[in-house]
Amino acid sequence: SAVISQKPSRDICQRGTSLTIQCQVDSQVTMMFWYRQQPGQSLTLIATANQGSEATYESGFVIDKFPISRPNLTFSTLTVSNMSPEDSSIYLCSGSGGDSYNEQFFGPGTRLTVL
Amino acid sequence: SQQGEEDPQALSIQEGENATMNCSYKTSINNLQWYRQNSGRGLVHLILIRSNEREKHSGRLRVTLDTSKKSSSLLITASRAADTASYFCAPSGGSNYKLTFGKGTLLTVNP
Repeated sequence: SAVISQKPSRDICQRGTSLTIQCQVDSQVTMMFWYRQQPGQSLTLIATANQGSEATYESGFVIDKFPISRPNLTFSTLTVSNMSPEDSSIYLCSGSGGDSYNEQFFGPGTRLTVL
Repeated sequence: SQQGEEDPQALSIQEGENATMNCSYKTSINNLQWYRQNSGRGLVHLILIRSNEREKHSGRLRVTLDTSKKSSSLLITASRAADTASYFCAPSGGSNYKLTFGKGTLLTVNP
């Protein structure tokens, strides 16, 4: 199984600023994903982080707001740009081997509060 | 991508009792995964069951899959207070491996 870590674990930010969240996997994974979990809600997929190319965003999410990098098979970053209080959420990254029988493992999440 | 719908939305039991949660989905799948989330934390992977499997065990967990009914169940035996958490199912099909989550089942195990 893959072990995934995220930094920071939590942060409190001011409106209008940006925060970059790092996701590190202890082994190479084919697929990496970023999710958002708003207070009291389930997880919503933001985007698939593609190695060496632009991320693939889900409906309702755009690159200008959530730029993503994935420079290699073990690391990805998500930036939450020009934050507003509505961006207060838990952000989680996940990784999967990419085989249809590979488990998808999640990081511990980053709890973001925007004032 | 698929979305699983968990049922019931909330379940409250006493320590030592068994807890059963159900998941339904709509189209064909390659596998289905179950996760646990303690309040405000990341998702812990519990078990993956493949579409050609009917039952799988891991410790106190038992997962069944009925592809003809497009449903799965998670049984936790001899529950403990530490099992208190939200439980999510995540069916997966196709080639994109994206997971879509439902609202989950909130399990409360009372000491």
